[in-house]
Order: sequence, then structure tokens, then C-alpha cells
Amino acid sequence: GENVEQHPSTLSVQEGDSAVIKCTYSDSASNYFPWYKQELGKRPQLIIDIRSNVGEKKDQRIAVTLNKTAKHFSLHITETQPEDSAVYFCAASIFGDMRFGAGTRLTVKP
Amino acid sequence: EAGVAQSPRYKIIEKRQSVAFWCNPISGHATLYWYQQILGQGPKLLIQFQNNGVVDDSQLPKDRFSAERLKGVDSTLKIQPAKLEDSAVYLCASSLDLRASRYGYTFGSGTRLTVV
Repeated sequence: GENVEQHPSTLSVQEGDSAVIKCTYSDSASNYFPWYKQELGKRPQLIIDIRSNVGEKKDQRIAVTLNKTAKHFSLHITETQPEDSAVYFCAASIFGDMRFGAGTRLTVKP
Repeated sequence: EAGVAQSPRYKIIEKRQSVAFWCNPISGHATLYWYQQILGQGPKLLIQFQNNGVVDDSQLPKDRFSAERLKGVDSTLKIQPAKLEDSAVYLCASSLDLRASRYGYTFGSGTRLTVV
């Protein structure tokens, strides 16, 4: 089955700096790559996603890139703010069978 | 649009007891998923339903876990008997159909299970 690895496990940045989280996946058939943000005690919330026929997608301060050849994708957050502090999960999916990475705890220091 | 409903929000039981969780997906969502999220880890898929049929239960510990979605709407997940390592948040999610790549997931608030 699909295996998703995520790095780093923790990331601390100063407010206003950029943050990058990277994931790799094992199954070349995966075709959907969402990113979720989970605040303490809350459900994961979808923040951005990308499909296998697209290389990059941007939504305001958040962008995701996908390299199908290398089987890796990344989340980029620019101009970070304290409210961006949370755990971020990447996932890879084939027809709904979604496998998650272990998560990255992002801390944005004011 | 109402979200995915789950109950109870919290449950504390002793090991070897039984417990059941309930999930009501978003209206019209054919696909329903149960995930287990252990503290500090990413969600792990336990079982996936398409309507009332099981699509994938390869990671469900079938000796103690069972799930059903008899009428293709609500679903229950049961653990019998519970072990200490079952302590986790159990998340239910739904999507319009199997091809979640088109529509994405919506998660419920989860049930936090503590086994003592």
C-alpha cells in the first residue's frame, strides 16, 4: 500500500518568515495530494490540495508543489503568522484510499 | 450544509470493555471512512465504505474492531474488547464518492477514546 513520509516533524520559524514542509510517497498511482491543518483538539481541516496533473497550486500565502517523477510534494507558507501554528499533515490518495504523513508541528514565534 | 456528525465526543472505558462510536456523514455522501489518530501521529485509515459495502478494511484489526453501515448512511465502529493501545481519536470522514480526488474529504470532530 501507499506509504507517505513527512519532514520535518517539528518546525519553528519567526513571524513573517517562510515555512516549507516536504512529503514523499511510494505509489506512483496516487493522484490526489491534500494538506490538512490540525489545531489542538480539533479536526483536520483541508487547507489546499493538488491533483496529479498539476505541478503547482497557490492560494494566497499557501502554495503546494508536486514532482511526480520524484514522488514528492511540498507545502510552502509565506509571511507566516502566529495563527499558522498547528500540526500540518500531508496525504496521498488513490480513489479515496488516503494515507497520511506523520505530521509537522509548526510553531510561529511572534 | 451540515457537517459530519460523530458521537460521543469523549469516552473513557476500562480495558477489556466494549465501546461503540457513531457517525452520520454529510447528506448525499456515498463514501464513508473511519480513521484512528493516535496522539502525535497522522490519521490511519481503518475502514472505507461505499454506500453499505466495504471497499477497504485491510488495516482494521478484525479480531477486536468491527464496523457497519447497514443502510448506506450512518455508520458505527465497535471495539470489543478494548486494549490500552486503542486510546486514540477516532475520526469519521465522508466524501461524495470514491474518487475523493474530485471532491475531497470532510472530517467529523472525532471521538476521543481513553482506555484505562
